[in-house]
Amino acid sequence: GQNIDQPTEMTATEGAIVQINCTYQTSGFNGLFWYQQHAGEAPTFLSYNVLDGLEEKGRFSSFLSRSKGYSYLLLKELQMKDSASYLCAVKDQKVTFGIGTKLQVIP
Amino acid sequence: DGGITQSPKYLFRKEGQNVTLSCEQNLNHDAMYWYRQDPGQGLRLIYYSQIVNDFQKGDIAEGYSVSREKKESFPLTVTSAQKNPTAFYLCASSVQGGRNTIYFGEGSWLTVV
Repeated sequence: GQNIDQPTEMTATEGAIVQINCTYQTSGFNGLFWYQQHAGEAPTFLSYNVLDGLEEKGRFSSFLSRSKGYSYLLLKELQMKDSASYLCAVKDQKVTFGIGTKLQVIP
Repeated sequence: DGGITQSPKYLFRKEGQNVTLSCEQNLNHDAMYWYRQDPGQGLRLIYYSQIVNDFQKGDIAEGYSVSREKKESFPLTVTSAQKNPTAFYLCASSVQGGRNTIYFGEGSWLTVV
């Protein structure tokens, strides 16, 4: 089976940097995804990590350590529109999502 | 445009009725998925299919059924056996292998009245 943990809520200030952590225990591993989901909408793809290390994409970066079962999503220069839920998901034969971290960006 | 189309967007079901949610994709993806999301909760996998004419149960398959007769279509039936069906339902698809990002449809809201 799979167990994915991430904080349920976080608050950060506009213009700041925030790191959202995700830990997982899985029977198999074929990649880790991060998605952004605004309330009432479908998730949208942010990043994919399958090898250890940091993947950078504009203001968003994602890190993976397979030996530690750990990933984080780093958001820089926070904007108000970044207020959303951020979902960590792990793939083996299927894709299993964590509960999501609801991020509130405040002025 | 390529993408995943779910219909209807909003659906109301009377108790004891079966309803079917449609999901069609023109991305030529092999794998398709159905997830359920309750308010303030994460996504839970109902069923998934990696190839035509084959599908597997996810974590919460009881009270649901699917079919995969065509590559582009993966309809979900919410049966009367599902006692608490009110939720947001998301269909998704991906290629098999490699950087197999999952892409989502816009979702269907099902409410029991």
